[in-house]
Parts: sequence; C-alpha cells; structure tokens
Amino acid sequence: QVQLQESGPGLVRPSETLSLTCTVSGGSISGYYWSWIRQPPGKAPEWIGYIYDSGSTYYNPSLKSRVTISVDTSKKQLSLKLTSVTAADTAVYYCVRTLVGKESSGSYPFDWWGQGTLVTVSS
Amino acid sequence: DIQMTQSPSSLSASVGDRVTITCRASQSINTYLNWYQQKPGKAPKLLIYAASTLHRGVPSRFSGSGSGTDFTLTISSLQPEDFATYYCQQSYRTSRTFGQGTKLGIK
Repeated sequence: QVQLQESGPGLVRPSETLSLTCTVSGGSISGYYWSWIRQPPGKAPEWIGYIYDSGSTYYNPSLKSRVTISVDTSKKQLSLKLTSVTAADTAVYYCVRTLVGKESSGSYPFDWWGQGTLVTVSS
Repeated sequence: DIQMTQSPSSLSASVGDRVTITCRASQSINTYLNWYQQKPGKAPKLLIYAASTLHRGVPSRFSGSGSGTDFTLTISSLQPEDFATYYCQQSYRTSRTFGQGTKLGIK
C-alpha cells in the first residue's frame, strides 16, 4: 500500500522558511496530484497546494506568495517551502495523494495521507 | 473561495443510533463533495467521495447524499469506533476547502 512520510524541522523561527520533504513508497508518484495540507491545532484542515508529476503546480491563493511545492520523481520525493513564517503557520503538515481519473468520479478526493508532522513557529 | 459550513459543530449520540451530519456549500458544487473521518492524533481518512461513493474498505453503515449546495453524511448504526470528527471538502474549484468539522461524541 502507499505510504507517505513527512520529514523536516519541528521548530522554525519567525520570519524564516519552513522546509518539509515527503517520501512516497509502495506506489508510483507518476500520474497523481500530490498536495500539502496543514491543520492548525484544534482547527480544520487547510489545503496549501498541489503538484502534478509533470511539475505543474497550483497554490491556495491565500498562501500563494509564500509557497513553493516541487517534486523529484527519481527520488519519489515532494517538498514544501513556506517563507516568512509566523505563529499562524504553526500546524501539523500532511503530504497527501489525490485519487484521479475515472476511479475518482471526477471528485479527486484525497485518498492517501501521511502521518503528518507538527511544525511550531516560535522564537 | 467556496465556503463549506457543517452542522452541527458537535453532537452526542449512543452506540446503535442513526446520525446525520449536514454540509452546505456557499455555491453549487455539483457532486464534487468528499467526506473524511479524523480521530485524535491521526490523519484524516477518506470515507466518501463524489457525494455518495463509498471509498474502498469503508463500512456500509456510512452513506452520503446530496448535490448542488446541500449534502449529508449518515451513519446508520453508530459503532464505538465511529466517534471522531468528520469533515466535508469540496473539489469543485481547484482551491480546495474544508468544512469546520463535526465532532461526534459519546452520549
């Protein structure tokens, strides 16, 4: 089965850049959309953006100016960079696969999630 | 952005109860609506997609319905493992958005 593993620093200082990596195993990285989703403590998930295996991206308009998502298909890794972080960026960050094609009935749900990694922004 | 509003925000029920959670979109989203279950400390899990299609491995006591702006998630007979928080999510617009969640607790 597909496994997604996020990794990166658990503590980032204000105004610095948050950098996370997601390693995909047990399945292909090609042919899928891959998203980063975050969830502040006690709140609902927030979609950050996605990347296709071709490298095309789309970001949440509210975060677009600060976000970069990239993919390395040879390493089966995704990465997330979020610049100029503040305490409001404190959250559990998830790497997530999107079910695509006919099987999704056009609804493109998030079908595989990593376990998530907590990133705290604090000095 | 499309706003997703769930009701109620929380509810208490007993094992064996039938429970319904509602999700309303701020504009029509056809049937591009997905439901997730999340337990404390865990990632959300996909339950239903395209408003009414059960994801593989999800028990048949879960069902979804609706189209346009109004959707429901129904659990026909609550089991102990169903006590969790449930989220709806629209995939009509590329910028995906989630509801605020419904926390289902034990009465």
